[in-house]
Amino acid sequence: DAGVTQSPTHLIKTRGQQVTLRCSPKSGHDTVSWYQQALGQGPQFIFQYYEEEERQRGNFPDRFSGHQFPNYSSELNVNALLLGDSALYLCASSKIQAGNTEAFFGQGTRLTVV
Amino acid sequence: DAKTTQPPSMDCAEGRAANLPCNHSTISGNEYVYWYRQIHSQGPQYIIHGLKNNETNEMASLIITEDRKSSTLILPHATLRDTAVYYCIVSKTGNQFYFGTGTSLTVIP
Repeated sequence: DAGVTQSPTHLIKTRGQQVTLRCSPKSGHDTVSWYQQALGQGPQFIFQYYEEEERQRGNFPDRFSGHQFPNYSSELNVNALLLGDSALYLCASSKIQAGNTEAFFGQGTRLTVV
Repeated sequence: DAKTTQPPSMDCAEGRAANLPCNHSTISGNEYVYWYRQIHSQGPQYIIHGLKNNETNEMASLIITEDRKSSTLILPHATLRDTAVYYCIVSKTGNQFYFGTGTSLTVIP
């Protein structure tokens, strides 16, 4: 049983460009959350998708958007890249329920903006 | 914002128990305490979670105080592979987390 998979593993983009990151959740999971982790910091919650809709959002600008597909996989899009967007982007999947569930994280996509 | 407080770093001798404390004094009644760890910029790995009772699994034990304002993660026999950043998080849903900066645990040979 595959866990959470993310692609690509590494990416280099130029300031002002747009990027799309992809996530396939663990089998049986229906909820995908995205996190940004800057060097030396804990992961920061970006947003969460369930039933193909954004359900929760952290303190991130509209340049960060996402999508969830019928097979529960998800994409994170970042427009107008800034140098400060350089980070490890993590995807976590879970089964939707109130509490007493655990989320599983992928290995992340390392984005470098130059 | 993170609702937990953890010491920034700890050391533990290999083979000894590692006890990692966490304060969550503003925890609400329906929030669980979760522990994850992250090894060298890999994705965070789930360790254990609990509501109010002590919990144990194959990786660790979680001790939650009766007032639920603090907890301790116990790794019973630390190995070098347990060197990581350990995050204590409180969450109602178990799938939306606000991480702090965690505790960097170093296991010493």
